[in-house]
Amino acid sequence: DAKTTQPTSMDCAEGRAANLPCNHSTISGNEYVYWYRQIHSQGPQYIIHGLKNNETNEMASLIITEDRKSSTLILPHATLRDTAVYYCIVRVDETSYDKVIFGPGTSLSVIP
Amino acid sequence: DAGVIQSPRHEVTEMGQEVTLRCKPISGHDYLFWYRQTMMRGLELLIYFNNNVPIDDSGMPEDRFSAKMPNASFSTLKIQPSEPRDSAVYFCASSLFRDRDGNEQFFGPGTRLTVL
Repeated sequence: DAKTTQPTSMDCAEGRAANLPCNHSTISGNEYVYWYRQIHSQGPQYIIHGLKNNETNEMASLIITEDRKSSTLILPHATLRDTAVYYCIVRVDETSYDKVIFGPGTSLSVIP
Repeated sequence: DAGVIQSPRHEVTEMGQEVTLRCKPISGHDYLFWYRQTMMRGLELLIYFNNNVPIDDSGMPEDRFSAKMPNASFSTLKIQPSEPRDSAVYFCASSLFRDRDGNEQFFGPGTRLTVL
């Protein structure tokens, strides 16, 4: 599975959009991009995933570049409860779970 | 559904003691995962099961660690004997395989283990 790189930390003003970037330049054509977040002292929580097209759900939007070498997770109106560590991972399918790597992620601080 | 259930939530034990962590996956899910999280190493995959069968245990740190899944609704992670360096938060997660549609994992609240 491709390795990802994310900024260590980011700040965002409450109510503003939070844009979290992720680089996955070695991604393969059949690898999905997944985003999870972990609020302090809780288990990681699934946010969204995508393959080629941009995706949106009730939590966030995922923008994947045309060459698929990077993506951006967008929280449209960040709240204090969105303060968490955000993980970007890529993998193929069930057969590559053994290669799933949760890196250090991006620590997002939403500021009042 | 109540989500993934783990017990105990906190465990404090002394070095050399046996520790058993328990997990109940979401009903109907066919994959179960055990992770360990520490400040130094982050979130590591230890082992995962598919339909109760262990698929890959290459992440298990050493022979002191063992995991079982006797049925679809229960799994254990055992450490015997425990050592201080095993202190960490252990997460259990489950997922349902959906071909070509992505497969998100649902994590439990974790067990915080402290070995003195």
